[in-house]
Amino acid sequence: DVKVTQSSRYLVKRTGEKVFLECVQDMDHENMFWYRQDPGLGLRLIYFSYDVKMKEKGDIPEGYSVSREKKERFSLILESASTNQTSMYLCASSFVIGGNEQYFGPGTRLTVT
Amino acid sequence: GESVGLHLPTLSVQEGDNSIINCAYSNSASDYFIWYKQESGKGPQFIIDIRSNMDKRQGQRVTVLLNKTVKHLSLQIAATQPGDSAVYFCAVASGGSYIPTFGRGTSLIVHP
Repeated sequence: DVKVTQSSRYLVKRTGEKVFLECVQDMDHENMFWYRQDPGLGLRLIYFSYDVKMKEKGDIPEGYSVSREKKERFSLILESASTNQTSMYLCASSFVIGGNEQYFGPGTRLTVT
Repeated sequence: GESVGLHLPTLSVQEGDNSIINCAYSNSASDYFIWYKQESGKGPQFIIDIRSNMDKRQGQRVTVLLNKTVKHLSLQIAATQPGDSAVYFCAVASGGSYIPTFGRGTSLIVHP
């Protein structure tokens, strides 16, 4: 079974802190994604990566950056956390060829106070 | 770009009934359609997919119907069980893209 793991299920951070969210997948997928999920808004794509060291902005990249140094690991970075970044963050991975489903991690519930 | 919408944010059914969750999309070039299930406290999980060269696909207790003429797809769950209670998302991709557009989700509530 594909496994996508995220480093934390719950995080509480203070405004202005630098926050790292880690994601690891074990299926040798080329693509990795970061989404945030908010009530009534569904899943919104923050960043994605189709290869090591490659990254592309999604729909809402402002306030975030990413890092992909190894194929299996994709990190989301909040340079200076703000309260409006309180959300559920979901990592996903998939094969690079289009027309394949994404596999999601369990999510990280981030609260910024 | 693509927009994906669901007809109902919440659907309540009785255990044993059949459930139908609907989804509409805007891009006629869309060619890959996926349904995900998200249980409370978990990430979305793949249920079933369908490609544009098909109208219907069946899985275990689930059926996806695709109507390309009106750009509509539906997920049917037979004999709904309490364990089916979750939020269901449709996702749509086009042109071989590996980046789908997600709908906002329908919360399915199953009453015993």
